[in-house]
Amino acid sequence: QSALTQPASVSGSPGQSITISCTGTSSDVGGYNYVSWYQQHPGKAPKLMIYDVSSRPSGVSNRFSGSKSGNTASLTISGLQAEDEADYYCSSYTSSSTLVFGGGTKLTVL
Amino acid sequence: EVQLVQSGAEVKKPGESLRISCKGSGYSFTSYWISWVRQMPGKGLEWMGRIDPSDSYTNYSPSFQGHVTISADKSISTAYLQWSSLKASDTAMYYCARLTGQGYPLGYWGQGTLVTVSS
Repeated sequence: QSALTQPASVSGSPGQSITISCTGTSSDVGGYNYVSWYQQHPGKAPKLMIYDVSSRPSGVSNRFSGSKSGNTASLTISGLQAEDEADYYCSSYTSSSTLVFGGGTKLTVL
Repeated sequence: EVQLVQSGAEVKKPGESLRISCKGSGYSFTSYWISWVRQMPGKGLEWMGRIDPSDSYTNYSPSFQGHVTISADKSISTAYLQWSSLKASDTAMYYCARLTGQGYPLGYWGQGTLVTVSS
């Protein structure tokens, strides 16, 4: 199974909104509403930010939102803050009952 | 409080065996599956496989099937990841994580175990 496709990097200024895409196939992203998004700061363990395409775990800011259309899922961060600078990974459940991650996107807050 | 505490960093030689651990606390260990995730230096996350601690049923990513073994001892709330013969390419950070839903969302993570394989 191939990794999901994410842009290598995105950037935005404080207060702006950015969107990170995550493209898969009908066997993963397009076939299930089981896309998750993770935030990882350098030297830290990943943190779940979005699950089941658009649900937020308790404690995650509502500035983070998720959506999906066809084989592409998206993470939107609104009101960008310096602390949002991190790597972001999407993941999806697959038709083989496995999990596949995206390659990761480095978010830079200008 | 849900916690996953992993064993410490390891330095091994090629060909050696290794088992690293992940101890769960603050929840019913047998009620949630555990996954292992690899992160090679400077690279992204890779899902290795998962185990149901209640019956030790496992399934693996095709990329890791046959190269590692995932196991669990529910009597001590601990999951394991093991290698029988390490390679230099196994050098990475390894995370355990607890699944929190049907579609494999990883809601709780261990702190990671750094494995270095070098001659």
